[in-house]
Amino acid sequence: EVQLVESGGGLVHPGGSLRLSCAASGFTFSSYAMTWVRQAPGKGLEWVAAISNRGQSINYADAVKGRFTISRDNSQNTVYLQMNSLGAADSARYYCAKDRATGGYPTRQDSWGQGTLVIVSS
Amino acid sequence: AIQLTQSPPSLSASVGDRVTITCRASQGINSALAWYQQEPGKPPKLLIYDVSNLERGVPSRFSGSRSGTDFTLTISSLQPEDFATYYCQQHNSYPFTFGPGTRVDIK
Repeated sequence: EVQLVESGGGLVHPGGSLRLSCAASGFTFSSYAMTWVRQAPGKGLEWVAAISNRGQSINYADAVKGRFTISRDNSQNTVYLQMNSLGAADSARYYCAKDRATGGYPTRQDSWGQGTLVIVSS
Repeated sequence: AIQLTQSPPSLSASVGDRVTITCRASQGINSALAWYQQEPGKPPKLLIYDVSNLERGVPSRFSGSRSGTDFTLTISSLQPEDFATYYCQQHNSYPFTFGPGTRVDIK
């Protein structure tokens, strides 16, 4: 069974940083692209960043480019999201998600974690 | 970035109704469109991928279609467990984007 468990969320002051982690199990992690999606309270889904299976392709939403960094450690079956210069607009639940197909590059996601909540507030 | 618009933003329907949700892309996205269902407090669930392919375990009352840059999700006979919010997503070009969602409520 595929399991994705996010961690690292919490309360952070504006301008601060957080590092989210997503521990994966139940599938061959190194064969799949991984994606971070966020959802502000009461709002819709927002695609944040994606990384190919070996990290050779990385892409970001315009809203986070230059502030967020996605990475992965295939030896630890974990994907990360380093978030810097956080602002109120970054407050959201952050989900990590596994791509549906092998082949390495991000497409659509068939398995999602429960998310980790990030609150940016003074 | 490619923009996705969904209509209607919300709808009220009864069990047994046929429901149609439309997603329009601001430019061509080939067949790189997926539909997700999200119940309150839960992560999204993939329903349909590549316009019309039903994800494993998803009931056959769900279907997807395309006409140019307009994509449609149809629920043929609404069931109690289908009351949720539905999102389309394009993965044709970066940055990938989601539609704003369509909330389906009980009439």
